[in-house]
Amino acid sequence: GENVEQHPSTLSVQEGDSAVIKCTYSDSASNYFPWYKQELGKGPQLIIDIRSNVGEKKDQRIAVTLNKTAKHFSLHITETQPEDSAVYFCAASLTQYIFGTGTRLKVLA
Amino acid sequence: GAVVSQHPSWVICKSGTSVKIECRSLDFQATTMFWYRQFPKQSLMLMATSNEGSKATYEQGVEKDKFLINHASLTLSTLTVTSAHPEDSSFYICSAMGLAGVSYEQYFGPGTRLTVT
Repeated sequence: GENVEQHPSTLSVQEGDSAVIKCTYSDSASNYFPWYKQELGKGPQLIIDIRSNVGEKKDQRIAVTLNKTAKHFSLHITETQPEDSAVYFCAASLTQYIFGTGTRLKVLA
Repeated sequence: GAVVSQHPSWVICKSGTSVKIECRSLDFQATTMFWYRQFPKQSLMLMATSNEGSKATYEQGVEKDKFLINHASLTLSTLTVTSAHPEDSSFYICSAMGLAGVSYEQYFGPGTRLTVT
């Protein structure tokens, strides 16, 4: 079955810097890759997603890239702000979502 | 966007009692709903998948007699933790599969924190 690895597990950046979180997946048939932001005590919120027929997608300060050959995808957050501090999960999906282990992002003011 | 609600948002119960958690899709119909469990500082662990009108499919290691799931309508699924014990204390999150444009996506509820004393 699908296996998703996520790195790093924790990430601290200075406000205004960029943050990059990387995920790899094992099942080449997976075709949908969402990213979720989870704040303390809340459910995950979809922030951006990408499908296997696209290599890159951008939404304001957030972008996701997908390399199908290498089976990895990354989340890029530019101009980070303190409110970006949260846990971020990637997922790979064909019929069900398989989540990565999460990255705790801390943006230092 | 699609909204999924959960009720209650938190609950404290005594060991041996049962607790029911509701998951509702507010503005769309969800033929499939998922129940996850999340321990502190860990990822989401899928417990079961429920389809409207049929029995839930449980993941390996999840006791179906302990975690009863009912998906009676296209907008409501319930998870009942029976004879709860302190080790059942966790954050339970549901998600609902909805049509977004031409494809289906999962929308997550806000979670329910269960504490068993």
